[in-house]
Amino acid sequence: GENVEQHPSTLSVQEGDSAVIKCTYSDSASNYFPWYKQELGKRPQLIIDIRSNVGEKKDQRIAVTLNKTAKHFSLHITETQPEDSAVYFCAASTIGRSQGNLIFGKGTKLSVKP
Amino acid sequence: KAGVTQTPRYLIKTRGQQVTLSCSPISGHRSVSWYQQTPGQGLQFLFEYFSETQRNKGNFPGRFSGRQFSNSRSEMNVSTLELGDSALYLCASSPVAGVYNEQFFGPGTRLTVL
Repeated sequence: GENVEQHPSTLSVQEGDSAVIKCTYSDSASNYFPWYKQELGKRPQLIIDIRSNVGEKKDQRIAVTLNKTAKHFSLHITETQPEDSAVYFCAASTIGRSQGNLIFGKGTKLSVKP
Repeated sequence: KAGVTQTPRYLIKTRGQQVTLSCSPISGHRSVSWYQQTPGQGLQFLFEYFSETQRNKGNFPGRFSGRQFSNSRSEMNVSTLELGDSALYLCASSPVAGVYNEQFFGPGTRLTVL
């Protein structure tokens, strides 16, 4: 079945630095890749997603890149701020698959030090 | 709009018992999905319901079941509880079918099995 590997499991950066989280997936049919942010004690929230017909998507300080050939995608956060501290989950799914589901990576705990 | 709500928020059960968790989606959302979150396994998809029908199912044993009512509210049942079922159970809703759309998560039900 589909498997999503996420690295690193923990990441510590200084405020203002960039942070990069990488995920690889196993099912070449996967075509939808969301990223969720979960702050301590709170519910996960979608921060950005990408579909396989594009290679990159940006939203202010956040960007996601997708390499379909290598089957990996990455989250890039620039100019990090303390409020970016959270656990980030990548996931993969297949649009249109009637029995598809959403497979998550194990998460990356990002700490931004002021 | 009110967000996704889940009841109860906390639950303590003993091995062998069964439990029912409830989820009320955002008004107008017809898709409800359930997820299990544990420190070791992260976020894992359980199943998705849309228009009272199960559309997707993750890799969980048959002890985990669910249903959806005509008002889109959903319940999840776990029978013959095991210690390993201790987890945060999150439900999420979406306006359309398919977990490849933004999932709006509830606060979760923290289940402890003793």
